[in-house]
Amino acid sequence: KQEVTQIPAALSVPEGENLVLNCSFTDSAIYNLQWFRQDPGKGLTSLLLIQSSQREQTSGRLNASLDKSSGRSTLYIAASQPGDSATYLCAVRDDYKLSFGAGTTVTVRA
Amino acid sequence: GAVVSQHPSWVICKSGTSVKIECRSLDFQATTMFWYRQFPKQSLMLMATSNEGSKATYEQGVEKDKFLINHASLTLSTLTVTSAHPEDSSFYICSARIGLTGELFFGEGSRLTVL
Repeated sequence: KQEVTQIPAALSVPEGENLVLNCSFTDSAIYNLQWFRQDPGKGLTSLLLIQSSQREQTSGRLNASLDKSSGRSTLYIAASQPGDSATYLCAVRDDYKLSFGAGTTVTVRA
Repeated sequence: GAVVSQHPSWVICKSGTSVKIECRSLDFQATTMFWYRQFPKQSLMLMATSNEGSKATYEQGVEKDKFLINHASLTLSTLTVTSAHPEDSSFYICSARIGLTGELFFGEGSRLTVL
């Protein structure tokens, strides 16, 4: 059974600082890994999707890396802004289903 | 990105009534949609996988007679919570998968409160 862990559970940083969010998973036989953002009471917004054959994906200030062999992914957010405050979830897909981490709640202080 | 619309965004109902939640993919066809449940401050839990034209596949522990899923077309899946009770109060989120990339797109979620 795939288990996905996100550390830390919560993070508070001053505006402008770079954010590093970690995601680890137990079974490396994955199809892809996806990072999402969730605002309070809202659904999920897809940020980045990394296929199992890829090492990283970038979109604007976001960069996500994937090391399948060690079961790790890292989401980097450069020059954080107050609008980046949200909960960030990673999800790992195997042949059958998507397994979510519990998320990292980020607060960016102005 | 692709758009998934979920309706209603929130609903309050009396215990014993049934509630239907719709999930639509607006600009793409989705042969597979997923229904999740989320409790406060917890991650999403997959309830069932909805396949167009066939019966849904439910996760262990999810009552299929209580949570009826219908995937009638390539753009619409519905979740009906039958004879709702207060413990069914939760945030329900659907997602649809784009076949080519496998990327998932999520609806905005539906908050159900059962009195």
